[in-house]
Amino acid sequence: QSVLTQPPSVSAAPGQKVTISCSGSSSNIGNNYVSWYQQLPGTAPKLLIYENNKRPSGLPDRFSGSKSGTSATLGITGLQTGDEADYYCGTWDSSLPGGVFGGGTKLTVL
Amino acid sequence: QITLKESGPTLVKPTQTLTLTCTFSGFSLSTSGVGVAWIRQPPGKALEWLALIYSNDDKRHSPSLKSRLTITKDTSKNLVVLTMTNMDPVDTATYYCVHKFGSGWAFGNWGQGTLVTVSS
Repeated sequence: QSVLTQPPSVSAAPGQKVTISCSGSSSNIGNNYVSWYQQLPGTAPKLLIYENNKRPSGLPDRFSGSKSGTSATLGITGLQTGDEADYYCGTWDSSLPGGVFGGGTKLTVL
Repeated sequence: QITLKESGPTLVKPTQTLTLTCTFSGFSLSTSGVGVAWIRQPPGKALEWLALIYSNDDKRHSPSLKSRLTITKDTSKNLVVLTMTNMDPVDTATYYCVHKFGSGWAFGNWGQGTLVTVSS
């Protein structure tokens, strides 16, 4: 049971937009920065979003992040088949204290 | 260019101690604010953060595993070592060494990961 809650799966058609939610509490998302990762099959995760809404250099602006209260959202526009992957949110939990991740969301591009 | 690589045994027996070494390049653990962490992922399951060490030798450990984990660094050799005692089959996972990115909680560069299987 992960501290952060993500939907197990989402799907959308190529070219469309999808959002992935990450729900937490005041001790984690509510008071700490959120990061997002993409894990393609058989590979290590890759940082997509840091500090809630910032993209690492070189990452296309099809990927976006936002945070409101104790929830965060990853958005992906212009979906491509290459975006099929598992997506994870992560943050620090001040009450544990320790780093926490969501259970992951599998994105299928139909 | 930042790179990290994990090394260590691929198979350990229950109750044994696991020692993993992360060798990195492209940054220095003598630079203020820099951190290296270990994250693991059991087959088909989610990521789990284990431990983090900063350049000032400040350390953080997963509360649920704290009693079993030790993280150390050798700044001159550009390496970080994680030891985990009393290994159990549930500890079977891919173990990743990662570079902490920026001032928030984010990991920008990951090693390729090493699969550790715990079995007698």
